[in-house]
Amino acid sequence: EIVLTQSPGTMTLSLGERATLSCRASQSVYSNYLAWYQQKPGQAPRLLVFGASNRATGIPDRFSGSGSGTDFTLTISRLEPEDFAVYYCQKYDISPRTFGQGTKLEIK
Amino acid sequence: EVQLVQSGGGMAQPGGSLRLSCAASGFTFSNYEINWVRQAPGKGLEWVSFISSTGSTISYADSVKGRFTFSRDHAKNSLYLQMNSLRVEDTAVYYCARRDYGYYGMDVWGQGTTVTVSS
Repeated sequence: EIVLTQSPGTMTLSLGERATLSCRASQSVYSNYLAWYQQKPGQAPRLLVFGASNRATGIPDRFSGSGSGTDFTLTISRLEPEDFAVYYCQKYDISPRTFGQGTKLEIK
Repeated sequence: EVQLVQSGGGMAQPGGSLRLSCAASGFTFSNYEINWVRQAPGKGLEWVSFISSTGSTISYADSVKGRFTFSRDHAKNSLYLQMNSLRVEDTAVYYCARRDYGYYGMDVWGQGTTVTVSS
């Protein structure tokens, strides 16, 4: 079973700063079937990026995904107030379609 | 409007059963696979199961295999998660979410439904 490890666990940044979130897989993710989700308290997750680097419909271009194989990154270029949330990566190539443990992005 | 509307859930005793429903509207139901994802209180997301667009392929997380059954009814545009032999650790908010074939992610989510297993 492939394990996804996200780092850091918590990130504290200021408005306008750049955020770089990491997701590392214990084995290669087939065809880069790797997605990123944002979740705010009391809400369902929201798809941000799929296929490692493709922004979902309606997602602002300050969000970008990159990486391949075992190392993936979600970058938020300039933090807006609504970006402070928990972010999860997920692999969906083969089952089990595991999630990372999440990165909490806090405002400084 | 494209949406997934969940129902069911509630409270059960350990060893008991519950059934969750997920009703799809606003899109061609038969074109999408559906996943169940859960979130225990204060914890992260856990993938539970998926069913393919045709219903021919179903997969489960090891934590629920043999206890949960996922099915879909194309006539009713609905999906069901039958949860048997419930355990305290199954307590969570459960979400259904659709995913298109291929490299697309889960782009439409239900509102979530709470399952509490307690004696």
